[in-house]
Amino acid sequence: DAGVIQSPRHEVTEMGQEVTLRCKPISGHNSLFWYRQTMMRGLELLIYFNNNVPIDDSGMPEDRFSAKMPNASFSTLKIQPSEPRDSAVYFCASSFPDSGTEAFFGQGTRLTVV
Amino acid sequence: AQSVTQPDIHITVSEGASLELRCNYSYGATPYLFWYVQSPGQGLQLLLKYFSGDTLVQGIKGFEAEFKRSQSSFNLRKPSVHWSDAAEYFCAAPGAGSYQLTFGKGTKLSVIP
Repeated sequence: DAGVIQSPRHEVTEMGQEVTLRCKPISGHNSLFWYRQTMMRGLELLIYFNNNVPIDDSGMPEDRFSAKMPNASFSTLKIQPSEPRDSAVYFCASSFPDSGTEAFFGQGTRLTVV
Repeated sequence: AQSVTQPDIHITVSEGASLELRCNYSYGATPYLFWYVQSPGQGLQLLLKYFSGDTLVQGIKGFEAEFKRSQSSFNLRKPSVHWSDAAEYFCAAPGAGSYQLTFGKGTKLSVIP
């Protein structure tokens, strides 16, 4: 398996623009997570999907952020409109739905909003 | 609430020296515990995990960790560090919802040749 695949790896956009980050989880995993990593706050969970259904989106910072999982092999995280404070590395991870199993991470998308 | 604490933000060691990275957790029941490594520009890779049983856990790249319930600790160790071990290391445990991981703030390891 190729692992969790995220695209793009890097994104630079102007403030106010819409940004869409993409994720393909590992085949057979039915839990998917979006995390954000910043120097100040470390790794923060944004949203968790189980079987394509959003279970916990309490970490989504505000209404500008939205996430979808239309099928078991694809998820998107959208920011509209983007702001400079959204600059961070965004990680997607997948796992089986059991707290005993580890999450497998993608390589991340480094987002810079100027 | 469950939490994971890594007291050391940055550690520098000489190549060939031993290493211990500290991790303390706050958790009601016996937790599942994980150590991940993140190389620059990369995602997080699992080094090792503790579920139950033997409290000394072996992982990849020559790392090991020991679960000590009395100290609420899960410290990561390596007897001889290599330059390629320079990276950031994260300890993790299940969060409040039990389905996601709560991560410590990370410890950045620098290795002196």
